[in-house]
Amino acid sequence: GESVGLHLPTLSVQEGDNSIINCAYSNSASDYFIWYKQESGKGPQFIIDIRSNMDKRQGQRVTVLLNKTVKHLSLQIAATQPGDSAVYFCAETWQKGGADGLTFGKGTHLIIQP
Amino acid sequence: SAVISQKPSRDICQRGTSLTIQCQVDSQVTMMFWYRQQPGQSLTLIATANQGSEATYESGFVIDKFPISRPNLTFSTLTVSNMSPEDSSIYLCSVVPLNTEAFFGQGTRLTVV
Repeated sequence: GESVGLHLPTLSVQEGDNSIINCAYSNSASDYFIWYKQESGKGPQFIIDIRSNMDKRQGQRVTVLLNKTVKHLSLQIAATQPGDSAVYFCAETWQKGGADGLTFGKGTHLIIQP
Repeated sequence: SAVISQKPSRDICQRGTSLTIQCQVDSQVTMMFWYRQQPGQSLTLIATANQGSEATYESGFVIDKFPISRPNLTFSTLTVSNMSPEDSSIYLCSVVPLNTEAFFGQGTRLTVV
């Protein structure tokens, strides 16, 4: 898996702008990918997921893109709001509901500027 | 969905002591997981705790240091034994209800002094 650095990358965007958070995953056998949002002092909260047989999935204000060729995952957040400020993690596993646990990416700290 | 309650939410402990963290779920789940999140870093899986079997530990984690109990389908404990300052982290319980995504507790913020 990926090595974990001491500091999370930071992305700062203006309120109302769109943001794109990127993640490189490590295991080509992973079948299921999830984005989590973690606010300060809280556990990770599910945002959106995608299976490996898809390359795009949309939710409310969020879109996840999956590029299996280069093992890359991205999260797009439209019209960012102050409540979107948090750390965002991608996670991968073998299958949804599987018994293998999750492998998390490094995380990105999203800061929404007023 | 699943609602997870972790206790304690935070603690400050002396080195050399042990702390047991409790995880209570509002529904029966087969699979429970324990993660560690060191300061400013991502989550790392410690072990998988399934009811009726021994916990399965990931590389770098051992049962003597992190003993786990799973007495029933709604409860688990993780003990951090013989603590040192390097054990200062957030410890998170996670469950995976059947065919859904993983849900996480609020975490236990441990500081070892």
